[in-house]
Amino acid sequence: AAGVIQSPRHLIKEKRETATLKCYPIPRHDTVYWYQQGPGQDPQFLISFYEKMQSDKGSIPDRFSAQQFSDYHSELNMSSLELGDSALYFCASSLGRGGYEQYFGPGTRLTVT
Amino acid sequence: GIQVEQSPPDLILQEGANSTLRCNFSDSVNNLQWFHQNPWGQLINLFYIPSGTKQNGRLSATTVATERYSLLYISSSQTTDSGVYFCAGGYNQGGKLIFGQGTELSVKP
Repeated sequence: AAGVIQSPRHLIKEKRETATLKCYPIPRHDTVYWYQQGPGQDPQFLISFYEKMQSDKGSIPDRFSAQQFSDYHSELNMSSLELGDSALYFCASSLGRGGYEQYFGPGTRLTVT
Repeated sequence: GIQVEQSPPDLILQEGANSTLRCNFSDSVNNLQWFHQNPWGQLINLFYIPSGTKQNGRLSATTVATERYSLLYISSSQTTDSGVYFCAGGYNQGGKLIFGQGTELSVKP
């Protein structure tokens, strides 16, 4: 069965650079979520989209922005990167929002040096 | 907002032993999921279980929504079961999941 695809899988950036993470949800899934997991921590919700509209927002820094495109894929744009942004970034998708099972991608490991 | 608490934080087992992991949540949830995070960082879906009981091989889970807790049972543990187990609850129309702090399981041969 098709799974959530994330690219790139690994990314190394320097401070103050920008990064773009991409997420391709499971076919027919209309909802995408982004989570950030710092070292030794649990995943924290960043932002979600339902039918290409922002659905919910968590503790996402103003330096980050995201959108969902017409083909339902999503991109997380991160600017002015800081050392503390080094983390594992997960994308998840679901068929519907609010109570539906979320399926997670393999994650993008971002290292900021 | 909802809070999710897991216990125990760490667990060391001998191969073949059974274990029970617990997840308490502070408010009613419309979603409850259990995940296994393997040493490579991947989050593997184990159960979607807002209520009731499910079984999948050596693993089973029970959620008692009215009492706001969920249990994950691992029987006949294997070294490949090692890793961190997370439960996560969702409670609003937006659907975001709130994760517990995880239980780090180590199964020794």
